[in-house]
Amino acid sequence: LAKTTQPISMDSYEGQEVNITCSHNNIATNDYITWYQQFPSQGPRFIIQGYKTKVTNEVASLFIPADRKSSTLSLPRVSLSDTAVYYCLVGENNFNKFYFGSGTKLNVKP
Amino acid sequence: EAQVTQNPRYLITVTGKKLTVTCSQNMNHEYMSWYRQDPGLGLRQIYYSMNVEVTDKGDVPEGYKVSRKEKRNFPLILESPSPNQTSLYFCASSPIVLAKTYEQYFGPGTRLTVT
Repeated sequence: LAKTTQPISMDSYEGQEVNITCSHNNIATNDYITWYQQFPSQGPRFIIQGYKTKVTNEVASLFIPADRKSSTLSLPRVSLSDTAVYYCLVGENNFNKFYFGSGTKLNVKP
Repeated sequence: EAQVTQNPRYLITVTGKKLTVTCSQNMNHEYMSWYRQDPGLGLRQIYYSMNVEVTDKGDVPEGYKVSRKEKRNFPLILESPSPNQTSLYFCASSPIVLAKTYEQYFGPGTRLTVT
């Protein structure tokens, strides 16, 4: 399984765009990249998943360069309620074994 | 309401006393998994199951057992709990489409303390 490296923490202000980058240098050809959000004392919640280029949904965008050795989660115009831990997850979906890592703690300030 | 439920939500027990944490999902998902979460270590996968009677080890299976006799249930069994199994445990489920899992739905968590 490709393991991931993320910043331990980030600070932002309300209304700003936040970009969280994840390194996965050993990503394999069949690996997908998935991001989850977790609030204190709750289970993680799926945000977005992609394989290459750019994926966008109603919550976030995911940018994946051609070499796929990193990915960037982009949260547009964050609010205080976006304060959470964000996990980058890489794994072969058809193996169904996952490695979450320690995540990035995002602190949004007023 | 589509959900994953876990029971109990909180449990304090003593070393060596067998316990079971139940997990149930009502979404007819094939895939289910157990994770533990410890400060600074993120979530680590304990066991997972692709379908009834099909289970496999995750990254940290030592000291745990699971069973999948029914599609909706995936209990986590600690035969002889030890203090290093004090942790926050999450159960998750996911549909399998074209042999792949996608987003996982997580339960509310079970906080276990072993003294």
